[in-house]
Amino acid sequence: KAGVTQTPRYLIKTRGQQVTLSCSPISGHRSVSWYQQTPGQGLQFLFEYFSETQRNKGNFPGRFSGRQFSNSRSEMNVSTLELGDSALYLCASSPTTGALKRDYNEQFFGPGTRLTVL
Amino acid sequence: KNQVEQSPQSLIILEGKNCTLQCNYTVSPFSNLRWYKQDTGRGPVSLTIMTFSENTKSNGRYTATLDADTKQSSLHITASQLSDSASYICVVSFWMDSSYKLIFGSGTRLLVRP
Repeated sequence: KAGVTQTPRYLIKTRGQQVTLSCSPISGHRSVSWYQQTPGQGLQFLFEYFSETQRNKGNFPGRFSGRQFSNSRSEMNVSTLELGDSALYLCASSPTTGALKRDYNEQFFGPGTRLTVL
Repeated sequence: KNQVEQSPQSLIILEGKNCTLQCNYTVSPFSNLRWYKQDTGRGPVSLTIMTFSENTKSNGRYTATLDADTKQSSLHITASQLSDSASYICVVSFWMDSSYKLIFGSGTRLLVRP
């Protein structure tokens, strides 16, 4: 089974621009979560989508948004980029959602998209 | 405040030696605790997942323990190999306001030297 794929792997943007990142989950997985990882803050949860609905959201400004398609593929959008948005953006897929109170909500991470904002 | 703290921040050991990484959390109510291994430039890979009722779980040379009373977990690596060089991240999940949350530790960076 193919793992989680993310595109593009690397991206360079300038301040004020917007960016869209894509994530294809493992076949059969319906939950996709997005994370931001920076050296200073570590891994931080952005949001989770399950069956095209946002099930959970972290503490990020509204410039960060996402969506999920009927085939479970997900996109994340960041508008009006800031220098502080430079980070590794990770996507993780799961067969279930933590919102269903399953104890073992196993998540499988993709390789990430390295975003650099100049 | 819900927090997850890991120690040490970094660790250097010789190949073949054992080591133990620590994770202390103040999350409540607790749902489960996970340990991830993250190689440089790659996404994290799950090593173990434990609920509050589990004391220990193994995955090959990796053994995680959990003490829900003291809110401490440890990850023990036996007979370390060069490929164990990575960051190890402790993640605690919990429920708050009917919403499922994850808190990540800042990680321990392990370097295994020949």
